[in-house]
Amino acid sequence: EIVMTQSPATLSVSPGERATLSCRASQNIRGDLAWYQQKPGQAPRLLIYGATTRATGVPARFSGSGSATEFTLTISSLQSEDFAVYYCQQYFNWYTFGQGTKLEIK
Amino acid sequence: EVQLVQSGAEVKKPGESLRISCQGSGYNFAKYWINWVRQTPGKGLEWMGKIDPADSYSTYSPSFQGHVTMSGDQSISTIYLQWSSLEASDTAVYYCARRRAVAAPFDAFDIWGQGTMVTVSS
Repeated sequence: EIVMTQSPATLSVSPGERATLSCRASQNIRGDLAWYQQKPGQAPRLLIYGATTRATGVPARFSGSGSATEFTLTISSLQSEDFAVYYCQQYFNWYTFGQGTKLEIK
Repeated sequence: EVQLVQSGAEVKKPGESLRISCQGSGYNFAKYWINWVRQTPGKGLEWMGKIDPADSYSTYSPSFQGHVTMSGDQSISTIYLQWSSLEASDTAVYYCARRRAVAAPFDAFDIWGQGTMVTVSS
């Protein structure tokens, strides 16, 4: 099983600042990586797939980068609605998720 | 609007059976695999398995093989997840989610149901 490790577990950032979230795969997954946002009481929402492609309707302030085993989700200027939990997911070999990064208001 | 709508919350006792559902609308239901994902505070998001709505062929994660069964009824665009004997450890929120691409073997999940909370307690 491919293990996905996210860091940090919690990230405190002020509105308007940049947030950088990391995800590491236990083996090479090429670019078969997605990022999801989840707010309390809601289902996860797809933000990024193919490591770098924004899903339909996702604002341009969200960007993904990386390949192989190291990936990053960057939110360029945090809005109030961006404070949530973010998960990465590999789909190179079936599916596994990271444990999540909680993005909280500083 | 493309959407997946799941059945409502359930409260069950250990040993009881249960079937929850996920109905798709707004797209060609038969063309996109549907996945089930479990979410718990302790283990986070876990992929349980997938089903092809066109023929109900299912593949299960080893962690869930033998404990749950996926099935479907294409005529009403609905997928089911069922247990024959629930355990307390099955307490979780269960999501159905559509695989984004039609042809790729694996892909991200672009449409999610709203989730079904299952509580198993004596």
